[in-house]
Amino acid sequence: QQQVKQSPQSLIVQKGGISIINCAYENTAFDYFPWYQQFPGKGPALLIAIRPDVSEKKEGRFTISFNKSAKQFSLHIMDSQPGDSATYFCAADHSSNTGKLIFGQGTTLQVKP
Amino acid sequence: GAVVSQHPSWVICKSGTSVKIECRSLDFQATTMFWYRQFPKQSLMLMATSNEGSKATYEQGVEKDKFLINHASLTLSTLTVTSAHPEDSSFYICSARDPGGGTGELFFGEGSRLTVL
Repeated sequence: QQQVKQSPQSLIVQKGGISIINCAYENTAFDYFPWYQQFPGKGPALLIAIRPDVSEKKEGRFTISFNKSAKQFSLHIMDSQPGDSATYFCAADHSSNTGKLIFGQGTTLQVKP
Repeated sequence: GAVVSQHPSWVICKSGTSVKIECRSLDFQATTMFWYRQFPKQSLMLMATSNEGSKATYEQGVEKDKFLINHASLTLSTLTVTSAHPEDSSFYICSARDPGGGTGELFFGEGSRLTVL
């Protein structure tokens, strides 16, 4: 019940295309859903996050779509760029905002020029 | 935004020795910090929660005598890998939340890569 399942494991997108990464969770106590971007040899950096009271959040080229009833959320990267090539992790945290993030398995994104 | 710093960024040690990794919150005080471990091409796994002034709480399956955590001040937590062995080689990452921030964002350090020979 603590798992966050992420797909796909890897993704190749042409420059200018849309990258879509999906995550699903089981624990309904989760109420904070961040997405992190990680470059090789670096720590993860927060991209965007959402709480269940909204179904979509957009920041620049990054959008989170959230489906509470399906317990799923996804990251959309519009106009994907080669600089977006990285590993992306979804995560979830409990309602008490413990800070004990449960991470998805990660998606390696490659954006081809 | 808030910054979390780790040191060293990489370390190589001989089997049987102990290695200490520091995690500092540079512009905020953190009563709680988190230590994660990441194997190559894998996700981050929470190891333990570091609590200022009290004992750390470890996740199931993490050996507390192997991974000693000390949170001596509001800006510093340390992870000591004792009697390190090659299987302890990994990328260790700490994180902390700025209590003054309104978003609940968790800030991560740059990570420390440990290689045990």
